[in-house]
Amino acid sequence: DIQMTQSPSSLSASAGDRVTIACRASQSITTYLNWYQQQPGKAPKLLIFAASSLQSGVPSRFSGSGSGTDFTLTITSLQPEDFATYYCQQSLTIPWTFGQGTKVEIK
Amino acid sequence: QITLKESGPTLVRPTQTLTLTCTFSGFSLSTSGVAVGWIRQPPGKAPEWLALIYWDDDKRYSPSLKSRLTVTKDTSKNRVVLTVTNMDPVDTATYYCAHTAISGSYEGDFDYWGQGILVTVSS
Repeated sequence: DIQMTQSPSSLSASAGDRVTIACRASQSITTYLNWYQQQPGKAPKLLIFAASSLQSGVPSRFSGSGSGTDFTLTITSLQPEDFATYYCQQSLTIPWTFGQGTKVEIK
Repeated sequence: QITLKESGPTLVRPTQTLTLTCTFSGFSLSTSGVAVGWIRQPPGKAPEWLALIYWDDDKRYSPSLKSRLTVTKDTSKNRVVLTVTNMDPVDTATYYCAHTAISGSYEGDFDYWGQGILVTVSS
């Protein structure tokens, strides 16, 4: 299985901050990388697919980059509704696997 | 708009078989490229992908659980069913079904999810 490792596991930030979350794959996944946001008690929500494509309806303050094994999710100007847990997921090879998550908390 | 909803028991006994139904609307599972997946999430942990069924009835399973999983579809009723045999307390999780579709050569991004159903395994 391809292992997905996110860093950090949690971070504290203030509204208006720029936040960067990293995701590393245990082997190359080219750009088969998706990012999700999950609010407590809710299903994950797709933010980014194919490493850098913004899902329809997702604010442009979210962006993704990377290829191969290293990927980044960036949130510019953090908004109150962005405090949540974020997961990366690879979809190159079955089984599709998720990272362990990064919790973004209010400082 | 696309919606999905999971239904089934919320409590199962160890060794029992879990049967979950995903009822969806807003798309057809007979449309080329469309698929429905099952993902579970133990309390406080990351999601885990379990299974996928494609429009053409092709199926994919997580190798670690393959012997215990079966996914089927009823296209006429817009339903997908997941069965998990020999349930154990470690299988306690929220189970989600989700929509995905092949676009060009890309797949695996779940763009619509059900609300999830928490299944507890306990005697």
